[in-house]
Amino acid sequence: GQQLNQSPQSMFIQEGEDVSMNCTSSSIFNTWLWYKQDPGEGPVLLIALYKAGELTSNGRLTAQFGITRKDSFLNISASIPSDVGIYFCAGRNTGTASKLTFGTGTRLQVTL
Amino acid sequence: GAVVSQHPSWVICKSGTSVKIECRSLDFQATTMFWYRQFPKQSLMLMATSNEGSKATYEQGVEKDKFLINHASLTLSTLTVTSAHPEDSSFYICSASKRGGTGRTDTQYFGPGTRLTVL
Repeated sequence: GQQLNQSPQSMFIQEGEDVSMNCTSSSIFNTWLWYKQDPGEGPVLLIALYKAGELTSNGRLTAQFGITRKDSFLNISASIPSDVGIYFCAGRNTGTASKLTFGTGTRLQVTL
Repeated sequence: GAVVSQHPSWVICKSGTSVKIECRSLDFQATTMFWYRQFPKQSLMLMATSNEGSKATYEQGVEKDKFLINHASLTLSTLTVTSAHPEDSSFYICSASKRGGTGRTDTQYFGPGTRLTVL
């Protein structure tokens, strides 16, 4: 089946640094979503992208829907300790009952 | 808001027993609910799509007789793991799809997950 690859797999950064992570797919998606998952919790939606080339911000987070529709990136500016967690991208196509295909995840650790 | 709850949050059971997990959309009606399984340090894998009043659609490789799904109302779906074995131990997460309104895309909201440990 489809698989979304995220990179980096994990990252350790210092508080205040900016973070960039991306997600690539072998096939096209019509919608890209970014989620954050804290340990022992379900994912929480951060940003949704609906059009190729779209750039959307949510506070310190910015995400872009790649022109080819096969990739997306997420940036976090001025990281803080509560940014720690696992970030997942997810792709969705219309006509598939809203099924999501999740990426492999990027684990973010923030040091003081 | 769009809140999805799961019960129980964790469960420990003996091998061979069955376990039921509930997923509820608390403040909206969800015609579609999804069940995922997540192993440690891995991504979420979709198990099945559940529509209210109809049979669930299972993903390839997921045994429908082992993972029974019932979507009895617009706010409740249940997953029953039958004859559980240690390899079924995992984090089970549900999500509920909320309609986005005219011209807007539906959004999936996730529950907090249920950790199942089979001894």
